Amino acid sequence: DSGVTQTPKHLITATGQRVTLRCSPRSGDLSVYWYQQSLDQGLQFLIQYYNGEERAKGNILERFSAQQFPDLHSELNLSSLELGDSALYFCASSDHPHRVGYGYTFGSGTRLTVV
Amino acid sequence: AQKITQTQPGMFVQEKEAVTLDCTYDTSDQSYGLFWYKQPSSGEMIFLIYQGSYDEQNATEGRYSLNFQKARKSANLVISASQLGDSAMYFCAMRLSVSGNTPLVFGKGTRLSVIA
Repeated sequence: DSGVTQTPKHLITATGQRVTLRCSPRSGDLSVYWYQQSLDQGLQFLIQYYNGEERAKGNILERFSAQQFPDLHSELNLSSLELGDSALYFCASSDHPHRVGYGYTFGSGTRLTVV
Repeated sequence: AQKITQTQPGMFVQEKEAVTLDCTYDTSDQSYGLFWYKQPSSGEMIFLIYQGSYDEQNATEGRYSLNFQKARKSANLVISASQLGDSAMYFCAMRLSVSGNTPLVFGKGTRLSVIA
């Protein structure tokens, strides 16, 4: 167990629907990062939160949004889902100041299938 | 913007042999960190090894070593004495500012298959 908890592990939904993915960071970590991994692709950075505030934004679609709550857990909301949104969504956390030499601690991911 | 390139979509290696997975990066920053992650078929991301841009020695972690050539902007992963359990996707990643809290940028990965 990495200490980063993602729920649900699997999600199957229909096109046009909306889903929420949840992430609880490792205890003490203030930063949360969301990544999307499509089939046979690398990890695409979506968005970063630090202590409740948006810190950096990557290639996140307007249909997607995220937030980090006071208890530091984060949610990624995906709406108007399309078939191409099917992917493995990872959450990762890191502490601050960042321990030199450490990357992130990743959750086990949420596999989203849009049918 | 920083970029990571992994040119080998797939690699095969015989068990107990050594293998090198290539990674080149592009950044104009002087301070950055380079990482390698392993993703087995189960899907989780496992941190393997780290190299800072100011580190003079190549990083090593057990059977993993990082061949860091700063002038060539390459950070190749060397796995010695390959094991069947090494079969997985391997991702090279970079973050700017060694101690900063910035996002990791990943390459597309290399799928390693270890043959008995």
